[in-house]
Amino acid sequence: DVKVTQSSRYLVKRTGEKVFLECVQDMDHENMFWYRQDPGLGLRLIYFSYDVKMKEKGDIPEGYSVSREKKERFSLILESASTNQTSMYLCASGRLVATQYFGPGTRLTVL
Amino acid sequence: AQKVTQAQTEISVVEKEDVTLDCVYETRDTTYYLFWYKQPPSGELVFLIRRNSFDEQNEISGRYSWNFQKSTSSFNFTITASQVVDSAVYFCALSEGGQGAQKLVFGQGTRLTINP
Repeated sequence: DVKVTQSSRYLVKRTGEKVFLECVQDMDHENMFWYRQDPGLGLRLIYFSYDVKMKEKGDIPEGYSVSREKKERFSLILESASTNQTSMYLCASGRLVATQYFGPGTRLTVL
Repeated sequence: AQKVTQAQTEISVVEKEDVTLDCVYETRDTTYYLFWYKQPPSGELVFLIRRNSFDEQNEISGRYSWNFQKSTSSFNFTITASQVVDSAVYFCALSEGGQGAQKLVFGQGTRLTINP
C-alpha cells in the first residue's frame, strides 16, 4: 500500500510565524505535490517537485516556498504566516504520468 | 486551459437509491487522464479510478461505475444502491499527458449525503 504521511493533522500558529509542513512518502515516487483546499474553491496546487532539489510553482505559490532535499520528503514552508493561509493542506505523491496518492491533510489555523 | 466542472455542489439521497455524479472537462490535449477521488469526513483523498483518453470503455467496480464519453467531454460516476458509508465529497480531476510531472486540475467537488 502506498503511504503518504503528514507531520500534523491539526496546527495552530500565530500571524508572522514561520511554519513548516512536512510530507513523507514511502513508495519511491518521483513526483510530490502540495495543495490547499478551501470551501467552494476545491483543491489548488501550490508547488510540486519532480525530483530531488527540483521544484515548480503551481497555481497559487505566493506566500509559500518548498524544499525537497530527499526523494521521500517534501516540505511546505510559510515564511510569515497570515490569516488568509488558514486552510487544509494536502500533500500527494506519484510516479510520472500516474495517479497521485494523498496524505491525510493538515488543517492549519493562523490566528 | 484545462478545466473540470462538477455542477452538482450537493446531492442528498436516501439509502439504496442510485445516484450519479456529473463531471465535465475541457482540454486541448488528445492525451489526458481522468480521475475520481473520494474524500470522507476524515479528510484524506482516496483514489477511486483513473482512465486515459484512449480508453472509452465504461468501468464497473462493485456498486461503482463510471461512464466516459469523449463526445460530450464527460466522465460521470454512478453509485448503485447507495449506502451511508458512501457519504463523502467526491472530486473529479484531469491531468494532461506529456513529459514531466503530471499536475491535476480538480473540479470543485460534489458533497454526497446518503440518509438512512
